[in-house]
Order: sequence, then C-alpha cells, then structure tokens
Amino acid sequence: GENVEQHPSTLSVQEGDSAVIKCTYSDSASNYFPWYKQELGKGPQLIIDIRSNVGEKKDQRIAVTLNKTAKHFSLHITETQPEDSAVYFCATDGSGNTGKLIFGQGTTLQVKP
Amino acid sequence: ETGVTQTPRHLVMGMTNKKSLKCEQHLGHNAMYWYKQSAKKPLELMFVYSLEERVENNSVPSRFSPECPNSSHLFLHLHTLQPEDSALYLCASSQETGGNTGELFFGEGSRLTVL
Repeated sequence: GENVEQHPSTLSVQEGDSAVIKCTYSDSASNYFPWYKQELGKGPQLIIDIRSNVGEKKDQRIAVTLNKTAKHFSLHITETQPEDSAVYFCATDGSGNTGKLIFGQGTTLQVKP
Repeated sequence: ETGVTQTPRHLVMGMTNKKSLKCEQHLGHNAMYWYKQSAKKPLELMFVYSLEERVENNSVPSRFSPECPNSSHLFLHLHTLQPEDSALYLCASSQETGGNTGELFFGEGSRLTVL
C-alpha cells in the first residue's frame, strides 16, 4: 500500500523567514496531494492541494510543488507569521480511491516573533 | 453552525464502560469518515461511509463499532476499550466526485482517555 514520509517532524523559523516541508510517497498511481493545517484544539483544515497534471500551485504566501518522477512534493510558506504556527500534514490518495487519503506523520512548525 | 460538529469534545471512560461518539455534518456531503489521531503518528483511517453504506473498514478492532443512520450523522460506539485506544478521534466528511478524491472537512475531534 501507499507509504507517505514527511520531513522534518519539527521546524522552527524566525518570523519573516521561509519554511519548507517535504513529503515522499511510494504509489506511482497517486494523483492528489493535499496539505492540511491543524491548529491547537482543532481539526485539520485543507490549505492547498495539487493534482498530478500540475507541477506547482501557489496561493498567496503558500505554494506546493510536485515532482512525480521522483515521487515527492513540498509545501513552501514564505514571509512566515506567528499565526502560521501549527502542525502541517501532507497526504496522497494512493491508488486514487475516493476519500482514502494517506497522511504523513506531520510537521510541527513554530514561527518565532 | 460549523460544518462538522463532534460531541463530546472530551471523554474519560473505564475499560468496562460503553460510550458513543457523535458526528454531524451540515454540508450536504455524502461521505463520512472516522480517523484516529495518536501522538507522533499519522492520521489513521478507521471507517468510511458513502451514502450511509460502509465502504471501508481498516482492520479496526471490533470494540469500535460505527453506525451511520443517515448521510448527516455518524456514530462511533465504544466498548471494552484498552488504554492504548486513548487518542483524538476525528470525524470528517466530503462530497464524493465520482472517483476524484476531494477535500475532507474535519470536525474538532473527540479527545478520548481510557483509564
């Protein structure tokens, strides 16, 4: 089955710096790559996603890049702010079955003011 | 009202108790899910319901029993749990789009502690 590895497990940056979180996956049939943000005491919330027919997608300060050949994708956050502090999860859909998202282990991002 | 509501938010139970977690979605979605979130581990998919029919059961122990009476409500019945079952249980919903995986909308979770 699909295996998703996420690194780093923790990341601390200074406010205004950039943060990058990387994920690798094993199933070449994966087509959907979302990123979720989980704030303390809340459920995960989708922040950006990308499908396999696109190599990069950007939404204001966040962007996701996908390399299907190498089977990895990354989340980039620029000009980080304290409110970006949270746990971030990557995920893939494995063999494309609806709703069966396979999640990475999560990255705890701390943005220091 | 938030999109996906879970109750209770916190639950403490003994190993011999029987309790239930409840989830309600107000988004008109036709798929609902239970995920288990333990510290330092990835989110684990437990059950998937599509149009009130269970379509996925990821080898979850029988002490967890799901129920989906309609497309808006999902329950997780708990009995004779073990301390290692202590975790955050997250409910989610999605609008299935004919094979294309879409956004999951999560509730805030039910924090379960088994003594």
